[in-house]
Amino acid sequence: GQQVMQIPQYQHVQEGEDFTTYCNSSTTLSNIQWYKQRPGGHPVFLIQLVKSGEVKKQKRLTFQFGEAKKNSSLHITATQTTDVGTYFCAGPTAYGQNFVFGPGTRLSVLP
Amino acid sequence: SAVISQKPSRDICQRGTSLTIQCQVDSQVTMMFWYRQQPGQSLTLIATANQGSEATYESGFVIDKFPISRPNLTFSTLTVSNMSPEDSSIYLCSVVHREDFGYTFGSGTRLTVV
Repeated sequence: GQQVMQIPQYQHVQEGEDFTTYCNSSTTLSNIQWYKQRPGGHPVFLIQLVKSGEVKKQKRLTFQFGEAKKNSSLHITATQTTDVGTYFCAGPTAYGQNFVFGPGTRLSVLP
Repeated sequence: SAVISQKPSRDICQRGTSLTIQCQVDSQVTMMFWYRQQPGQSLTLIATANQGSEATYESGFVIDKFPISRPNLTFSTLTVSNMSPEDSSIYLCSVVHREDFGYTFGSGTRLTVV
């Protein structure tokens, strides 16, 4: 079946350092979504990427969709303690109504 | 985006009993989704609930264990039946935005089975 993988599983950074998480799918995706889940909270939708090679920015967050539409990345510039949480990517299933979530990357930011 | 009210927020239950989780949305939505998230893990889809029809269950989840109701376009319930400690998890309902197709999640129900 379809698999969505993410690396790294964990990342510890010093506040102010950059952070990147990578998402890879076993199949070509029509789109990809990113979510953030704060400790003790629920996932919150960040963004959806649709086009091959697409790059979108949200303040210090940069999202990229690969040319082959099988991978994506989330880059955070100059991390802050408010960036702490787990970042999930999610890709649609073959029949498109549901999404498969990756295992997530847990980010810790040391002040 | 939609606002979802999910309750209870947490519960501790005895094995062999059942718990019903409620999810109320502030707008009408066609599909509602029920997810399970085990501690420190990712989200796994249990089933998709459509109003007026049987829920569609994912592999590994069955209606007898996780019956779902969807009486109207703003409400759904998930029951965890005949619970065992392995059912201890966070259960989340979600709906899809109209505008940008992302999921909005409820705040989750943290279930502990003892």
